[in-house]
This record gives sequence, structure tokens and C-alpha cells, in this order.
Amino acid sequence: AAGVIQSPRHLIKEKRETATLKCYPIPRHDTVYWYQQGPGQDPQFLISFYEKMQSDKGSIPDRFSAQQFSDYHSELNMSSLELGDSALYFCASSLTSIAAGETYEQYFGPGTRLTVT
Amino acid sequence: DAKTTQPPSMDCAEGRAANLPCNHSTISGNEYVYWYRQIHSQGPQYIIHGLKNNETNEMASLIITEDRKSSTLILPHATLRDTAVYYCLLPPGGGADGLTFGKGTHLIIQP
Repeated sequence: AAGVIQSPRHLIKEKRETATLKCYPIPRHDTVYWYQQGPGQDPQFLISFYEKMQSDKGSIPDRFSAQQFSDYHSELNMSSLELGDSALYFCASSLTSIAAGETYEQYFGPGTRLTVT
Repeated sequence: DAKTTQPPSMDCAEGRAANLPCNHSTISGNEYVYWYRQIHSQGPQYIIHGLKNNETNEMASLIITEDRKSSTLILPHATLRDTAVYYCLLPPGGGADGLTFGKGTHLIIQP
């Protein structure tokens, strides 16, 4: 079965540079989520999009922005990178029924490991 | 999200059943209990969820107490590949909300 695809898998940037991470959800999934996991920490929710509209917002820094495109893929843009941004970034997708008020299982990608030097 | 409490770590012998407890005494009537796991440096993986009835799928069984204040995830025949951090979550309803990962249980399967 098709899974969530993330690219690139590894990325090395210098401080103050910008980075763009891409996420391709499971086909027919309409919701994308972004999570950040620092070394030795639990995953932390950043932001989600449902049908190309921002749905929920977590602890996403103002230097980061994201969007979901018409083909449902999503990009996380990170500017003015800091050493503390070094982390694993996971994208997840789900098929969401907003009207039903239910929460559906999220399927995670393999992650992008960002190293800021 | 409502709060959950899990033991920080557990050991289990390979081939035996692993029983992972979770306390969620403040759960509300319409909140589901979800379980995810994360094998080292991989993306979290959905395991199972339930509302009030016990549930079983190809990966695990979920036992929820009648008062819904606690639950147990059961891996019936644990293998070395089941070594992971297991998270018990109570995600809010409404669809596209992010998950709040607390301090899960690090399950170590011993050969």
C-alpha cells in the first residue's frame, strides 16, 4: 500500500539559511500534519491542513510557514534557521471527516532529518 | 487533550504477551483512546483505537475498563521488532487536529 512520502530524507543547512520540506500524502487523504521531533524528545505537533486550508496550529515558530497545494501535497518552509531547528520532521496524513466530528488515524512518513550547522 | 499516564519503561520476553497500561481518569464520554508506537527514529505508527468496547486488529488488542478510566494495549506474541515507545493518546474530536504525544512507555523486548 502507498505510504506518506517525504523529501528530502536528509538535509544539511547552515544557520540563517532557508529550507523547504515536502510531503506527499497517501492517495485520497485530504489532511496533512507536520510534526517536529528534537533529539531525545517526543514528536511535537506544528500545523495541519484540511482541504488546503489551515486546520490546527501547534507550536510552530513564526519563522516557519506551510501550505497544502491543490494536489494535496504540502510544503514546510523554514527560514532563518537556528541550531535548535535540527530535528526530525515528520509529515502525517489522514482521511478526515470534519462533519462527523471524528478523529481519524494518522499515517506518518519516514521523516526528514534536518541538521543545521 | 485530556491527560494520560503511562509507565516510562517495561520489559517483556520475546514470545510472551506484552501488556501496556494507560490511565486516563479524566477522559470524557466521547473521547476515543488511541495507541501509536514509534520504533527508534521512524515515523510514529498507528496501532489501534477504541471508545468503550474492546478492540482487536492484526497488530494488537485494546482492553478498556468499564468506567473508561484506564486501558491496556496487548501485544499477544511480542517480537524483538516490537521494541518501541508506545503512546496512549486521547485526541480531540473534530478531524484535523494534531496529536499531543506525552511521555509514552519504552517497551523493550528481551530475547
